Amino acid sequence: EIVLTQSPGTLSLSPGERATLSCRASQSVSSSYLAWYQQKPGQAPRLLIYGASSRATGIPDRFSGSGSGTDFTLTISRLEPEDFAVYYCQQYGSSGTFGQGTRLEIK
Amino acid sequence: EVQLVESGGGLVKPGGSLRLSCAASGFTFSSYSMNWVRQAPGKGLEWVSSISSSSSYIYYADSVKGRFTISRDNAKNSLYLQMNSLRAEDTAVYYCAKGLMYFDYWGQGTLVTVSS
Repeated sequence: EIVLTQSPGTLSLSPGERATLSCRASQSVSSSYLAWYQQKPGQAPRLLIYGASSRATGIPDRFSGSGSGTDFTLTISRLEPEDFAVYYCQQYGSSGTFGQGTRLEIK
Repeated sequence: EVQLVESGGGLVKPGGSLRLSCAASGFTFSSYSMNWVRQAPGKGLEWVSSISSSSSYIYYADSVKGRFTISRDNAKNSLYLQMNSLRAEDTAVYYCAKGLMYFDYWGQGTLVTVSS
């Protein structure tokens, strides 16, 4: 079973700053199967990035994904107030696995 | 507009059973794989189970294998999760989600509480 480890656990930044979130897999993951989600309190998760680097419908271009193999990154180029949330990476083969999440909080 | 609406959650005693449903609309349900994902209170997301469009392929997390059964009725645009032998650690919000390699639409979830 592939384990996804996200870092940092919590990231404290200010609006306007750049956020870099990491997702490391215990074994190689096909880029096609790597996705990122955003979740705000009391809400369902929202798909941000699929295929490691493709933005989902309606996602602003300040969100970008990159990486391959075992190391993947979600970058938010300039933080807006509504971006402070919890972010999860996910890989999907014959089963799905989520990382433990990174909480992005206002500094 | 894609809509996924879960129902069937509630309070159940350890060892009990519950059946969750997810009503889908706004897309061709029979063409897409569907999934259940859960989130324990204050915790992260945990994938539970997936079913392919024609029910040919079904997968479960090890934590629920042998106790939970996923199914679908394409004529009724509905997804189900039969949960047996429930444990306290199954307490969570259960989401249904559309998709195969990534989950592009999610319902709002239904809360399952396992407690005596």
